[in-house]
Order: sequence, then C-alpha cells, then structure tokens
Amino acid sequence: DAKTTQPPSMDCAEGRAANLPCNHSTISGNEYVYWYRQIHSQGPQYIIHGLKNNETNEMASLIITEDRKSSTLILPHATLRDTAVYYCIVPYSGGSNYKLTFGKGTLLTVNP
Amino acid sequence: NAGVTQTPKFQVLKTGQSMTLQCAQDMNHNSMYWYRQDPGMGLRLIYYSASEGTTDKGEVPNGYNVSRLNKREFSLRLESAAPSQTSVYFCASSWGLDSYEQYFGPGTRLTVT
Repeated sequence: DAKTTQPPSMDCAEGRAANLPCNHSTISGNEYVYWYRQIHSQGPQYIIHGLKNNETNEMASLIITEDRKSSTLILPHATLRDTAVYYCIVPYSGGSNYKLTFGKGTLLTVNP
Repeated sequence: NAGVTQTPKFQVLKTGQSMTLQCAQDMNHNSMYWYRQDPGMGLRLIYYSASEGTTDKGEVPNGYNVSRLNKREFSLRLESAAPSQTSVYFCASSWGLDSYEQYFGPGTRLTVT
C-alpha cells in the first residue's frame, strides 16, 4: 500500500468544521484515497473515497490536492459523536491484495 | 436494513474449546471478509471470500477455518482455541474484491483463557 502519514491526534470544538490532513506522497496515478473511522469499541465505518476530484457525501467532504500527494477530510459541523480514530488509506491497486491496511490514524476529539 | 450482523457479541472460551463466529449481510454484496484486531494494533485479514462458493487465506489464517454458507453468510471457526486468539473479530462485506468500500459488523470480543 502507498504509505500515508496522519497526525496522531486533533481537537475540534462541537459545531465547527474538523479538517483532518493526510499525506500520501508515493501514491500512484490510479490509486484511490479512502477514509474510514472507528468509534471506540465499534467496527470501522467507511466514510468516503476519491481519485483526484473533490468528493462530497452526507458524511464528509474529501479534498485532494492537484498533485495528489495529500488530502483533507472535512467534517463540516462536528458533533460529539464524531469523536473517533480516522484512517486515511491508499489500498494497493495491483495483484491479489484485497485487505485494507489500517495504520495508526488520527484520534479526533470533539469537545463541547 | 441491518447491514452486517455478527453473533455472538462476546465469548469466553477455555484453551482447546471450539466455536463458530457467525456473520450475515443483507446488502447483496458478493465479497466478505474476516479481520481480527488486537489492542493497539490495526486490523489483520484472516480469510476472505470473493464470491459465494470461494474462500481464500488472508495474512493470518492459521488456527481458523471459514465457510461461505451462501451469499449472505460467512462463518469463522476456531477448532482448538488458544490464548493468542484472544481478540476482537470483525466481519466485513463489499460489492467485490476490487471495491475497498467495505462495510463492517459490530465485532465479536473473544477471550481465550
């Protein structure tokens, strides 16, 4: 998998936007960026993915830089329930490697 | 629409006992997966099933067996449990192996004493 780098932790005030950065400078041209989160004691939850265009869904927005070497996940109005570990993943696109590799991620704490 | 369900939620086994973890999905997904997550570590793939009738080993298959019973259900069996298998087990599903948009169940917390 292309290596990703994320800050270990971030804080955000409830109701404000949470912007979570991720560096993936070794990403290949056809590799997607995926974001997942894991709330304490729950299963991982898929959030969003993208290739090179910005993406938005009901949960979040994903901004990918033009050179594709970094991306930012945006939670527009963070709530206490968004406190979780957020994982940026660039899965291997070739061969028989079908697993998701979760690194250490970013622990986002949303404060009241 | 329950998504991915797993049973049981918690289990305590003695060394040498056997058990089967059950997983079912109602999203009509073709592919299913079993992962384990140890404290402070990432998820590791145990087995996966590309489609009904097929199963393949992941990165940590030793000590486990799986059955893809039908399109909806994918079970994980521990034949002779060991303390090293104490972990949280997650089942996941996706449209296909080339889709990394995987949907996870709530997990089974297994302790082997």
